[in-house]
Amino acid sequence: DVVMTQSPLSLSVTPGQPASISCKPSQSLLHSDGKTYLYWFLQKPGQPPHLLIYEVSNRFSGVPDKFSGSGSGTDFTLKISRVEAEDVGVYFCMQSIQLPWTFGQGTEVEIK
Amino acid sequence: EVQLVESGGGLVQPGGSLRLSCAASGFTFSNYWMHWVRQAPGKGLVWVSRIKSDGSSTSYADSVKGRFTISRDNAKSTLYLQMNSLRAEDTAVYYCYGPELDYWGQGTLVTVSS
Repeated sequence: DVVMTQSPLSLSVTPGQPASISCKPSQSLLHSDGKTYLYWFLQKPGQPPHLLIYEVSNRFSGVPDKFSGSGSGTDFTLKISRVEAEDVGVYFCMQSIQLPWTFGQGTEVEIK
Repeated sequence: EVQLVESGGGLVQPGGSLRLSCAASGFTFSNYWMHWVRQAPGKGLVWVSRIKSDGSSTSYADSVKGRFTISRDNAKSTLYLQMNSLRAEDTAVYYCYGPELDYWGQGTLVTVSS
C-alpha cells in the first residue's frame, strides 16, 4: 500500500496568516498517463470531507484561490495564503494511483 | 440538487451482519464509479471498497475482503455494502462517495460491540 505521511499533524494559525501542509507518499504518484493522482480534502467538524485540490494543483469547483497545491514525485504541499475562521478542520491528502486508495493521517488546523 | 443518503447503520454484536444502503439523487448514478470510505471515531479516512458504474468490477481493502460485499442497483440509484462477520475494528462512520464529482453522503454510524 502507498503510505501517505502528512506533517504537521496539527497547526495553530493566526487569522490572515499563511499555512502550509506537507504530504509525502511512499512512492511516486505519477501515472503512465502523465497525471499525478494526489488530492487534498478538508473535513470540517461534523461534516464529510470535501475536495479542495485534484491532481496536485487543480482547484475543484468553487474552491477559493487562497488554496493552492504544488509538488511532484513524493513531495506535495497544500498552502492556504490567508487562513480564516472558516478554514478550520482537518486536511487530508489522498492518492488514487493504486488500490487501495490511501489517505494521510490528517492535519488539524485551528485558529489562534 | 445532488444527494447521497446512507442508511442501515446501527449497533451490532461481533460476528453479526449489517447492510448499508446509499440512495443517490440529482445525478445520473449509473454513469459513475461509487466507493465506500469509513472513519473510525476521532480517526482518519480509510478506503473500503469500490464498484464500477455498471457493477461489473469491484475491489476491496484487505481488511474487509471476504467479509464485505459492495453492490449497486442502478434502476434504484442505490449503492449497497453488505457487511458480514463484523468486528470491533469495523466500528466507524461509513460514507458513500462518488469521486468523479466529489459527492459524499453524510455517513452512517456502524458500532460493533457486545
